[in-house]
Amino acid sequence: SQTIHQWPATLVQPVGSPLSLECTVEGTSNPNLYWYRQAAGRGLQLLFYSVGIGQISSEVPQNLSASRPQDRQFILSSKKLLLSDSGFYLCAWAPGVGPRGYTFGSGTRLTVV
Amino acid sequence: GNSVTQMEGPVTLSEEAFLTINCTYTATGYPSLFWYVQYPGEGLQLLLKATKADDKGSNKGFEATYRKETTSFHLEKGSVQVSDSAVYFCALSERAGGTSYGKLTFGQGTILTVHP
Repeated sequence: SQTIHQWPATLVQPVGSPLSLECTVEGTSNPNLYWYRQAAGRGLQLLFYSVGIGQISSEVPQNLSASRPQDRQFILSSKKLLLSDSGFYLCAWAPGVGPRGYTFGSGTRLTVV
Repeated sequence: GNSVTQMEGPVTLSEEAFLTINCTYTATGYPSLFWYVQYPGEGLQLLLKATKADDKGSNKGFEATYRKETTSFHLEKGSVQVSDSAVYFCALSERAGGTSYGKLTFGQGTILTVHP
């Protein structure tokens, strides 16, 4: 069966520090991968998606970047965090074709102080 | 572009009350529709889905019917429990093919609180 792992679960970082959040998927090949952010009291916003290794599409201009160094690994990064980067970050995967069911990771709660 | 509109919350109900959370969408083509649930401090879990018009998704006593004529996918439950307290998200996804990469578009979420 397929599983998705996301870590860390919580993170407190100072403004200006770097960020690296990791997401890995097991039990499937060539998944579509997604990073979403949920700001406090708001809905989910798609940040990045990837349909293959090294293929990253950005949905909104921002202080963050994403990379996919391996088929089942998706990394969210920042060189210098801003206060506005605080939020709940969710990684998700979906099959490359067919009905688009999504599976979400358990999320990372990032607080920038 | 695609969009999803959910009824504004929060929704507060007593245990065993009937629940409806309205969801309407705009989309090109024929999207798949989903309801996700987020319990406090957790990620999202798929609650139910429907992939074509008139399909009814159901799970854990919740139901939603894909209504193409009204572009709606309202969530219902006949008798809610305290454990149903969570945030509920309606979402749509484009179908495979063309330039679609299956991006999931969410509504803003509806907070449900059920009191004993």
